[in-house]
Amino acid sequence: DSGVTQTPKHLITATGQRVTLRCSPRSGDLSVYWYQQSLDQGLQFLIHYYNGEERAKGNILERFSAQQFPDLHSELNLSSLELGDSALYFCASSVAGTSGEQYFGPGTRLTVT
Amino acid sequence: AQKITQTQPGMFVQEKEAVTLDCTYDTSDPSYGLFWYKQPSSGEMIFLIYQGSYDQQNATEGRYSLNFQKARKSANLVISASQLGDSAMYFCAMREGGNTNAGKSTFGDGTTLTVKP
Repeated sequence: DSGVTQTPKHLITATGQRVTLRCSPRSGDLSVYWYQQSLDQGLQFLIHYYNGEERAKGNILERFSAQQFPDLHSELNLSSLELGDSALYFCASSVAGTSGEQYFGPGTRLTVT
Repeated sequence: AQKITQTQPGMFVQEKEAVTLDCTYDTSDPSYGLFWYKQPSSGEMIFLIYQGSYDQQNATEGRYSLNFQKARKSANLVISASQLGDSAMYFCAMREGGNTNAGKSTFGDGTTLTVKP
């Protein structure tokens, strides 16, 4: 158990819908990262938040948005869902933003039908 | 742009033997971190080892060691005394440490390791 929690574990929804994925970092970690893992794209970095502020953006679609709240938990919002958004979404956390170990949560498996 | 290359799509190793998984990277950022993760068939991503670009010594964590050769831009993972439970996909990753794109990470395509009894 990495100490990073993600909910829900599985999510099945229809095209065009909107979903919210939630992540709680390890106690004491200020940084949260979101990743998408799909068969055709591999592991893709989406976004990084440090202590509530966005620090880096990767291959995140405009239909996707994220935020980190004062209690340091984070949410990833996916809207106007398409079949191609079906993937495993990971959250990870670390103490600092740019150095040190990074621990992953168990992931949320999103299936868009 | 950052890039991670893992040239071995699949590797086989005999139980109890050592194995080296290759990783080369490319970056113009002087500050970065290198990671290895294990992903078993169950899907979770397990952190194995971390090496900072300014670290003088190679990182070690139990049976895992990272052979960091900065001039060659390589960060190979060495697993000693392989166990059947080591069979999994292994990812090499790099995280930027500069002021712009701080924390942006790039992953390789992975190497599937199979440990034979």
